Amino acid sequence: GESVGLHLPTLSVQEGDNSIINCAYSNSASDYFIWYKQESGKGPQFIIDIRSNMDKRQGQRVTVLLNKTVKHLSLQIAATQPGDSAVYFCAERKASYDKVIFGPGTSLSVIP
Amino acid sequence: ETGVTQSPTHLIKTRGQQVTLRCSSQSGHNTVSWYQQALGQGPQFIFQYYREEENGRGNFPPRFSGLQFPNYSSELNVNALELDDSALYLCASSTNGQFISTDTQYFGPGTRLTVL
Repeated sequence: GESVGLHLPTLSVQEGDNSIINCAYSNSASDYFIWYKQESGKGPQFIIDIRSNMDKRQGQRVTVLLNKTVKHLSLQIAATQPGDSAVYFCAERKASYDKVIFGPGTSLSVIP
Repeated sequence: ETGVTQSPTHLIKTRGQQVTLRCSSQSGHNTVSWYQQALGQGPQFIFQYYREEENGRGNFPPRFSGLQFPNYSSELNVNALELDDSALYLCASSTNGQFISTDTQYFGPGTRLTVL
């Protein structure tokens, strides 16, 4: 069946360093790949997405890379800050249908 | 804040009971999706409502049902509660999903349901 999964369940980084969170996916038919951030007690917050016909997209301090050959998605966070501490989910979606399929999540902990 | 609100915040029920969870979508959004998030896992899609009709359903039994009202707010109903139904229930509002970028889907804070 469809699934989106993560390589690392937890990640600790020093404040100011760059963070890289990785994700493997299995559904090649997805049109969008998405990263969400979820802080304790809150719902998932959209960070950035990338269309399946792209391989890189940059936002503010974040970059998403998509490698369709090996079905791999990554989120890079530059100059990680304490406020970046949260659980990060990769997800995917087809454009014609708004269902979002989430992976299990990676917990990012920023060390001051 | 996303403008999506959910009530109640927390709820405790016993097995076999029924529960109704509520969601108010962001202004201007006509689509509501419901997700179940078990502890330590990613959200799982339950179903979506668009213009008061179910517009897609995930792998959940019929005892999970929903409604959408003319003002686009929504309810999630779960009958015959089971222990495994204990989870955070999230709703997300958006405009109609066809060919619209994902960042239109905004999540509420969720309702934490505990089934004893």
